[in-house]
Amino acid sequence: GEDVEQSLFLSVREGDSSVINCTYTDSSSTYLYWYKQEPGAGLQLLTYIFSNMDMKQDQRLTVLLNKKDKHLSLRIADTQTGDSAIYFCAESRGGGFKTIFGAGTRLFVKA
Amino acid sequence: KAGVTQTPRYLIKTRGQQVTLSCSPISGHRSVSWYQQTPGQGLQFLFEYFSETQRNKGNFPGRFSGRQFSNSRSEMNVSTLELGDSALYLCASSLGDSNSYNEQFFGPGTRLTVL
Repeated sequence: GEDVEQSLFLSVREGDSSVINCTYTDSSSTYLYWYKQEPGAGLQLLTYIFSNMDMKQDQRLTVLLNKKDKHLSLRIADTQTGDSAIYFCAESRGGGFKTIFGAGTRLFVKA
Repeated sequence: KAGVTQTPRYLIKTRGQQVTLSCSPISGHRSVSWYQQTPGQGLQFLFEYFSETQRNKGNFPGRFSGRQFSNSRSEMNVSTLELGDSALYLCASSLGDSNSYNEQFFGPGTRLTVL
């Protein structure tokens, strides 16, 4: 079945790296995503990775994909207070629709 | 280019009523997806419309329905509202090409409160 799991909370100090982890069950997933949601705001796509890749880097963000273990992680380097938000892991089979989301990880950044 | 717009932004209804939410996708986008976000269940996929046809469907009861018009605008209807339908309803649009990656762009959502 379709299921995406992630831990609910993460607290880090400003300047440290944050690592948010996610596991998914659908081996047919084609794309895996990380979205960010700030209070009162909609969802913002941070990055995505195609299932035949194992790593993607975009400025402070690094995504690692272990397809064998169905494990996805998001590393945020030099975490800032502005990074405080809920981060959703998600997967889809097709080109971005029917996206299945995890419950979200709330990231707290302490100054 | 204007983003995804949703109307209304806030809505208060009572149990048993019905409600219609509207979503206008980004110009040129043909796919519109709807999601329900609640504190308890998180973000759940409702359905996706492409070229006026429902192409994908989540696991929601028949009280939840939708449609898409020829200009790609979409409406979502919930009949016989229940307290548990209180949620943020998010709409997302994309080009809808099933053979390649299409980024989904999310609207700000409609906050529905059922009393």
